[in-house]
Amino acid sequence: KQEVTQIPAALSVPEGENLVLNCSFTDSAIYNLQWFRQDPGKGLTSLLLIQSSQREQTSGRLNASLDKSSGRSTLYIAASQPGDSATYLCASTGKWGGADGLTFGKGTHLIIQP
Amino acid sequence: DVKVTQSSRYLVKRTGEKVFLECVQDMDHENMFWYRQDPGLGLRLIYFSYDVKMKEKGDIPEGYSVSREKKERFSLILESASTNQTSMYLCASSLPRTNTGELFFGEGSRLTVL
Repeated sequence: KQEVTQIPAALSVPEGENLVLNCSFTDSAIYNLQWFRQDPGKGLTSLLLIQSSQREQTSGRLNASLDKSSGRSTLYIAASQPGDSATYLCASTGKWGGADGLTFGKGTHLIIQP
Repeated sequence: DVKVTQSSRYLVKRTGEKVFLECVQDMDHENMFWYRQDPGLGLRLIYFSYDVKMKEKGDIPEGYSVSREKKERFSLILESASTNQTSMYLCASSLPRTNTGELFFGEGSRLTVL
């Protein structure tokens, strides 16, 4: 069964820093990997989707990479801002299993200090 | 833009009441999901539907049922609400994993059972 792990569970950095959030998964047989942002009390907002044939995706200050062989994905946030404070979750869509083989990590709670 | 709409953002119900949570998506997605999210436990799948009138149990279906009479609407039903069902409920929809598999969430429904 796929397991998705996000370390650290919480991170606090000063404004302006570049930072990397990590997501690891145990089964490399995935269709895609998706990154989400969740603000307190809200639903999840899709940030980036990387298909299994892709190595990375970019949107503005965000860049997500995927290395299936090592079972890792990273979300890079450039020039962080206080508005980036949120919980970031990753989810893999596997080739096996019901519910599209979706497996979520528990998230990294990010605080950007002004 | 894909829109997933959950009818109620906040609900307060009493133990034993029947509760309906409604979810509507506007992008003709085949897949629809109901999750609950609790601190420390992450997202847990309650039910999944891959077509009209089709449903599959997720990881925690006990105490819940679902209905999907139309492609765009997926309802979660708590037949007799209990205090341990106090939680954030999240609806999501997607194309199949053999397509993009990109997942879109609603804003969430915060249910409190007294």
